[in-house]
Amino acid sequence: AQSVTQPDIHITVSEGASLELRCNYSYGATPYLFWYVQSPGQGLQLLLKYFSGDTLVQGIKGFEAEFKRSQSSFNLRKPSVHWSDAAEYFCAVGLTGGGNKLTFGTGTQLKVEL
Amino acid sequence: DGGITQSPKYLFRKEGQNVTLSCEQNLNHDAMYWYRQDPGQGLRLIYYSQIVNDFQKGDIAEGYSVSREKKESFPLTVTSAQKNPTAFYLCASRAAGEDGYTFGSGTRLTVV
Repeated sequence: AQSVTQPDIHITVSEGASLELRCNYSYGATPYLFWYVQSPGQGLQLLLKYFSGDTLVQGIKGFEAEFKRSQSSFNLRKPSVHWSDAAEYFCAVGLTGGGNKLTFGTGTQLKVEL
Repeated sequence: DGGITQSPKYLFRKEGQNVTLSCEQNLNHDAMYWYRQDPGQGLRLIYYSQIVNDFQKGDIAEGYSVSREKKESFPLTVTSAQKNPTAFYLCASRAAGEDGYTFGSGTRLTVV
């Protein structure tokens, strides 16, 4: 079964600083990969997704992620963080067939210092 | 605007009572999913349905039940058999051929 690891439970960055959130997955083939963001008490919003092709994907709100097959990683990055980016971020892995279920990581809580 | 509506946003029940959480979508999506979210544990899949009148158990289905009588609706019942029902419940849907999910805003269930 596939699994997703987000090693950082909490991360604090200063506004304007760069950000990288780590995500590692375990799966026999190349899965579909996603990053979602969740504000407190809300549902999840899709930031970006990787299916195939270019390993650097662009998403909404200025986020990007890079798929590295050799490292089984799909890290999320942003060059300059804004205070409104404070939220919880989830990495997820999916597979075609079998209901297209997504397996989520445990999340990384991002705090932004002004 | 199309989307997923979960109701109510907050729900309180006494221990031993069954409770049903509503999930309605007007996106014409085929597949629907229920996840449970607990602090520090991410999201765990309870049940999912790919078509009307069909559904499958996820990773933590014990103590839950669902129905899919209409494409738009996928209600979740938390039964008295669920040992620790207090949690945040999220419903999601997905269009055929599109692998990203659209999520509802969630229902926070508290059992006292």
